[in-house]
Amino acid sequence: AQSVSQHNHHVILSEAASLELGCNYSYGGTVNLFWYVQYPGQHLQLLLKYFSGDPLVKGIKGFEAEFIKSKFSFNLRKPSVQWSDTAEYFCAVYYGNNRLAFGKGNQVVVIP
Amino acid sequence: IAGITQAPTSQILAAGRRMTLRCTQDMRHNAMYWYRQDLGLGLRLIHYSNTAGTTGKGEVPDGYSVSRANTDDFPLTLASAVPSQTSVYFCASSDGDSSDTQYFGPGTRLTVL
Repeated sequence: AQSVSQHNHHVILSEAASLELGCNYSYGGTVNLFWYVQYPGQHLQLLLKYFSGDPLVKGIKGFEAEFIKSKFSFNLRKPSVQWSDTAEYFCAVYYGNNRLAFGKGNQVVVIP
Repeated sequence: IAGITQAPTSQILAAGRRMTLRCTQDMRHNAMYWYRQDLGLGLRLIHYSNTAGTTGKGEVPDGYSVSRANTDDFPLTLASAVPSQTSVYFCASSDGDSSDTQYFGPGTRLTVL
């Protein structure tokens, strides 16, 4: 089965620090890539997505992600985090056959 | 526009009981999905429906059933609940298939004792 790997499940950092969350997938074909965010007590919402074109994708709230096909990666970045970025972040990969696979998530805590 | 609503918000259920989780969307999306979210495991797809009248099995379908009688509703039924089905259940929908952006409901927290 195809898999999505997210490393460093728990991340704690201070406000204004930079954040990078890794996402790697195992499928070699055409994929659609997503990052979803789940704020405390809320449901998942889309942060950004990549279908085609410019591999550097900009999303909401200052987040961006870069698709590197040769590395099967779609890492999420934010140069300067805020306390309100405390959330769980999920990478998801669509690889066909109506299957969207989610990673196990990164729990990010930003300390004021 | 409410988007996706789920009911109940939370439920405590005795093992062996039957339970139906409700999901309704008002976006006229073709596809709908049920996921369960467990700590350390992320989201796993239980069942999906590409259009009204069709359903398919996801990654963890055992012990669950779904129906899609119309575009808006996609109920998930646990015929005989077991403690391992304790989880948070999310319903989602997308305009196209699962290659498209999915929109999630607020979730149902289910505890099976």
